[in-house]
Amino acid sequence: DGGITQSPKYLFRKEGQNVTLSCEQNLNHDAMYWYRQDPGQGLRLIYYSQIVNDFQKGDIAEGYSVSREKKESFPLTVTSAQKNPTAFYLCASSRLPEGPGELFFGEGSRLTVL
Amino acid sequence: GDSVTQMEGPVTLSEEAFLTINCTYTATGYPSLFWYVQYPGEGLQLLLKATKADDKGSNKGFEATYRKETTSFHLEKGSVQVSDSAVYFCALRYPGSSNTGKLIFGQGTTLQVKP
Repeated sequence: DGGITQSPKYLFRKEGQNVTLSCEQNLNHDAMYWYRQDPGQGLRLIYYSQIVNDFQKGDIAEGYSVSREKKESFPLTVTSAQKNPTAFYLCASSRLPEGPGELFFGEGSRLTVL
Repeated sequence: GDSVTQMEGPVTLSEEAFLTINCTYTATGYPSLFWYVQYPGEGLQLLLKATKADDKGSNKGFEATYRKETTSFHLEKGSVQVSDSAVYFCALRYPGSSNTGKLIFGQGTTLQVKP
């Protein structure tokens, strides 16, 4: 079945450590996105990529980094510069960046900083 | 800038009650509108969508109509079930190559349905 796979589902990190969240899609979608979800705040865009080897900052990119070396993969690194990284992270993809269609979401990764 | 505003929750209903979750938006163009649902501990699933004014999206008994004159996309269901308990997000997205294609979300509305 086609879909988006995020891993790990749960992750614990000590302060000062970098962590990488994986996102893989087999939908053959061009565009991929990372959102952060905090209670009562909806979803906020961290980074997005419309094509391989290219990506743009979203609304809250500080303290995060991404890469897009393959069409199907868009990993997110939460760096030690991110002051409040505890959150639920959602990866999404869409068929065309300019299309009006929906985004497809993964199951999410919950990061907790100890 | 563009934004989406939803009614605050939680919304608590008894089973078989009528549901309305209000959603209004601010946009300079002609976006597509979406309702997503999130069950506990999971990602978001598309519930329904509408791509132009007066379109009605529907799925699993839920409906929403794209009202350009009132810039609204209210979610309704005639008879809710306990299994509908979840967080509901209203969102908009612009077509066009000059845009990012990103979704702009409301803050989410928690629905609790009691037996």
